[in-house]
Amino acid sequence: GIQVEQSPPDLILQEGANSTLRCNFSDSVNNLQWFHQNPWGQLINLFYIPSGTKQNGRLSATTVATERYSLLYISSSQTTDSGVYFCAVATAGNNRKLIWGLGTSLAVNP
Amino acid sequence: NAGVTQTPKFQVLKTGQSMTLQCAQDMNHEYMSWYRQDPGMGLRLIHYSVGAGITDQGEVPNGYNVSRSTTEDFPLRLLSAAPSQTSVYFCASSSGGLYGYTFGSGTRLTVV
Repeated sequence: GIQVEQSPPDLILQEGANSTLRCNFSDSVNNLQWFHQNPWGQLINLFYIPSGTKQNGRLSATTVATERYSLLYISSSQTTDSGVYFCAVATAGNNRKLIWGLGTSLAVNP
Repeated sequence: NAGVTQTPKFQVLKTGQSMTLQCAQDMNHEYMSWYRQDPGMGLRLIHYSVGAGITDQGEVPNGYNVSRSTTEDFPLRLLSAAPSQTSVYFCASSSGGLYGYTFGSGTRLTVV
């Protein structure tokens, strides 16, 4: 089945710094999403981005489907950005069966 | 408040016991799904449903049953709990299954 690799596994930032999280996947996808899990365990959908670029405030994401990767950019990080960021993908064969990466654990220090 | 409601939040079971994790959504979403999350891992799909009366298996369906008799409810049944089913369980819903997932707050299950 499709493999999803996220990097880096862990990241520590000072408040105000920028960061880039990467998601590589091993097959063509037509569903790719980024999620944030906060330190209390709540999961929030950030982006649906099987291709192209989207922005939402300080967060933006770019997926280059032909090269099988996606990037999540966090600018001017805040302590509330702490948590784990997950990338999840699905193939055209069943685009509702999301396969998740192991996540990037982000800690933003004041 | 609109959203996905999971109950209970915490549960301890003995090996061999059965139980049902409840999931309800009030957003009229067609798509609902159950995931489990184990330490240091991403979520793994257990079962999902694209509408009332329709369910399908995910990555790790063994030991779990589901049914979808209404649009709102999608219960997950453990027929005979095993220690390997100790995990945090999340229910999610979406209007089309492609994006805009809304997650419940999770159920932390321990099987002893």
